[in-house]
Amino acid sequence: GAGVSQSPRYKVAKRGQDVALRCDPISGHVSLFWYQQALGQGPEFLTYFQNEAQLDKSGLPSDRFFAERPEGSVSTLKIQRTQQEDSAVYLCASSYHLTDTQYFGPGTRLTVL
Amino acid sequence: QKEVEQDPGPLSVPEGAIVSLNCTYSNSAFQYFMWYRQYSRKGPELLMYTYSSGNKEDGRFTAQVDKSSKYISLFIRDSQPSDSATYLCAMRGGDNFNKFYFGSGTKLNVKP
Repeated sequence: GAGVSQSPRYKVAKRGQDVALRCDPISGHVSLFWYQQALGQGPEFLTYFQNEAQLDKSGLPSDRFFAERPEGSVSTLKIQRTQQEDSAVYLCASSYHLTDTQYFGPGTRLTVL
Repeated sequence: QKEVEQDPGPLSVPEGAIVSLNCTYSNSAFQYFMWYRQYSRKGPELLMYTYSSGNKEDGRFTAQVDKSSKYISLFIRDSQPSDSATYLCAMRGGDNFNKFYFGSGTKLNVKP
């Protein structure tokens, strides 16, 4: 079956622009996670959804970051007024339940100029 | 101090060697320990998943957890060039079970 997909794979934004990153989880997966991975670092947790409910957003670095999953499937991570320090790979992962194996997407590489 | 520390490498070994990868952590509440492999420009993929202390073996891979020392290891036997990737340790547990804590990754190169 299809894995987790993310789009776009690459995004270049000028500083101050808003961006939206999309995640299509594996069908039927209840849990969805977003991570930020800076160059040469491990993924850093951003936020967690169970179905459409955002149960944990403790990792979002500022109020410029916003995530949603309105129908409990596709999720969008939005970054407003992008800054250079937002440049990173944004990874999405899904799992059937919270304690199950997480399957990662390929990530979206965001470059802010 | 980061919650999880991992030597970034790079680690270069000849084909067939035994590879040892390690992480240390500071939070004694961590209960679940994972190793992921990440190829360049790909997302991480789960290799091993262990709960609490002890060893777990899967093919050429063995994961060890020593909770008393807050130390975990991944051993790769008979390493292959296809094992060349970045290896990430991750763990979870305690008050915020949603949150995975990743190490910074060790880059491994297996030379043919």
